[in-house]
Amino acid sequence: QITLKESGPTLVKPTQTLTVTCTFSGFSLSTTGEGVGWIRQPPGKALEWLGLIYWDDDKRYNPSLKSRLAITKDTSENQVVLTMTDMDPVDTASYYCAHRFFGVHAFDIWGQGTMVTVSS
Amino acid sequence: QSALTQPPSASGSPGQSVTISCTGTSGDVGGYNYVSWYQQHPGKAPKLLIYEVTKRPSGVPDRFSGSKSGNTASLTVSGLQAEDEADYYCITYAGMKDVFGTGTKVTVL
Repeated sequence: QITLKESGPTLVKPTQTLTVTCTFSGFSLSTTGEGVGWIRQPPGKALEWLGLIYWDDDKRYNPSLKSRLAITKDTSENQVVLTMTDMDPVDTASYYCAHRFFGVHAFDIWGQGTMVTVSS
Repeated sequence: QSALTQPPSASGSPGQSVTISCTGTSGDVGGYNYVSWYQQHPGKAPKLLIYEVTKRPSGVPDRFSGSKSGNTASLTVSGLQAEDEADYYCITYAGMKDVFGTGTKVTVL
């Protein structure tokens, strides 16, 4: 059974860097085909794709946010980390991680999400 | 990147069917058979309903079905039930990126 859970700060100040960790179980990012994606959702608004990372360290990013994003993995700890620099109030959102298998191109299992507010 | 266009809302009475469209371009929806659909209840994480345009994960009722014609994908919910009231999103793989839909709120009258 695959599960994912996001953790990180609930409040960050403008211009700061956000770090959110996705801790998962039920699969390994050392296994061919496995991947984890990141998606966010501002309150009352639509989902937005941020990026994803695959078992082979292949990384894909939303082109409009690419300069601010970094996704890394710690295979031994079963964790994926999302880093977003220069946070702004418009980045206030719930941040989700989700499981993905290469070639299927869908997010089949999602974490519960973590709400991040950007405010001074 | 431009989001996929979905109608903001759709509605139907219990037992009826509702169809939600998801319109993109030849570079995303039209170019790949990798459209997926998600259901999201308030305060909850999205749930996968359909992947690769027409496939249902195990456990998803066959009331949910997907299709695609040209640059437009569609999700049909047949036999509407009260618990189907939720937001629905389409997502498509588009090469080196994903493109998300604008979301549709389905109301069961």
